[in-house]
Amino acid sequence: ETGVTQTPRHLVMGMTNKKSLKCEQHLGHNAMYWYKQSAKKPLELMFVYNFKEQTENNSVPSRFSPECPNSSHLFLHLHTLQPEDSALYLCASSQGGTDLYEQYFGPGTRLTVT
Amino acid sequence: GQNIDQPTEMTATEGAIVQINCTYQTSGFNGLFWYQQHAGEAPTFLSYNVLDGLEEKGRFSSFLSRSKGYSYLLLKELQMKDSASYLCAVMDSNYQLIWGAGTKLIIKP
Repeated sequence: ETGVTQTPRHLVMGMTNKKSLKCEQHLGHNAMYWYKQSAKKPLELMFVYNFKEQTENNSVPSRFSPECPNSSHLFLHLHTLQPEDSALYLCASSQGGTDLYEQYFGPGTRLTVT
Repeated sequence: GQNIDQPTEMTATEGAIVQINCTYQTSGFNGLFWYQQHAGEAPTFLSYNVLDGLEEKGRFSSFLSRSKGYSYLLLKELQMKDSASYLCAVMDSNYQLIWGAGTKLIIKP
């Protein structure tokens, strides 16, 4: 059983909708990540939070907006998405800092934009 | 640019051995990770190499050659449950993970 949970597991939304993805980690970690996974493509890092501070934003469009209220919770707010944003969105956590610890992933949210 | 290359798909037979290769070109190197991802599930950590050589962990072993920018994951005594995608990722000098597209491994009886 993973220590990282994500809700919802599946989401279908129209291009004019607003929705949020939620991630929670129960591992006592200090770093959390959002990734986008498209078929046959490498994982794309979207956002990184280290000790609740955003440390990375890899040129992600503004229609994706992250929020990290504490070190256990991470949200991804979505609005006016495009069909090409359909993908699996994975949340991960690690112990944080620049230490080389492995990342623990949640099961992902399968997003379909219609 | 930064690049991780691994085969798209491989097929092997139950009980056999398979080697999944990964080559990388990155800005600096702080270690190489292998993850396993079953269809519809989260990636799970398998191994981490930062020094040259072979790291063995049960049926799985991972090898690294930093001078060649090369790693492989060796799976022995293959089982049907080993059917999954195997992701290679390198941590660059900025401590960012650069991911390969993954190798889908199909195990046949």
